[in-house]
Amino acid sequence: AQSVTQPDIHITVSEGASLELRCNYSYGATPYLFWYVQSPGQGLQLLLKYFSGDTLVQGIKGFEAEFKRSQSSFNLRKPSVHWSDAAEYFCAVGFYGGSQGNLIFGKGTKLSVKP
Amino acid sequence: DGGITQSPKYLFRKEGQNVTLSCEQNLNHDAMYWYRQDPGQGLRLIYYSQIVNDFQKGDIAEGYSVSREKKESFPLTVTSAQKNPTAFYLCASSVQGRGGNSPLHFGNGTRLTVT
Repeated sequence: AQSVTQPDIHITVSEGASLELRCNYSYGATPYLFWYVQSPGQGLQLLLKYFSGDTLVQGIKGFEAEFKRSQSSFNLRKPSVHWSDAAEYFCAVGFYGGSQGNLIFGKGTKLSVKP
Repeated sequence: DGGITQSPKYLFRKEGQNVTLSCEQNLNHDAMYWYRQDPGQGLRLIYYSQIVNDFQKGDIAEGYSVSREKKESFPLTVTSAQKNPTAFYLCASSVQGRGGNSPLHFGNGTRLTVT
């Protein structure tokens, strides 16, 4: 069965430090990959997506993610974290030919930023 | 600006009462979705609809019902049969429901508390 794993429930980084949030998926073919961000009490906002082509994708707010087929990973990165990046981040996976009812979300990683 | 409107933001009900959560979109999207979010659980799909007058159960449909009489609207009713209805409910839409590569657009959620 398809699955998405975000191994880190909670990460704390200092403002200005680099960030990497991990996402691993289980699926037999190339999936569609998404990262979303959620501020407290709000809905989710799309940060970036990967469908095909260049495996390094750029998103909004200075985020990027790299698709590594050999590792079944799609990790989210940011070179320098700002206090406003504190939020919860969700990785999601969609499948070719599937409906959006087949979009699977990870359980999220909560990011805290120290001053 | 186009978007998804969920109302109300906070909703309180007594146990045993049915309650309906509103979701309206003006993005002209074909597909709409309802997710439930509990702490540490990520997003779980309740129902989704790919076209007017059609909808499918998601992973946790028991105790919930939906209708899709108009393209713009996808209300969710939480019935008295739902054993643990207190949660944060998110509505989403996408351009299309097939293909797995259409990003979801989310509303800002409704927090339902049942006592």
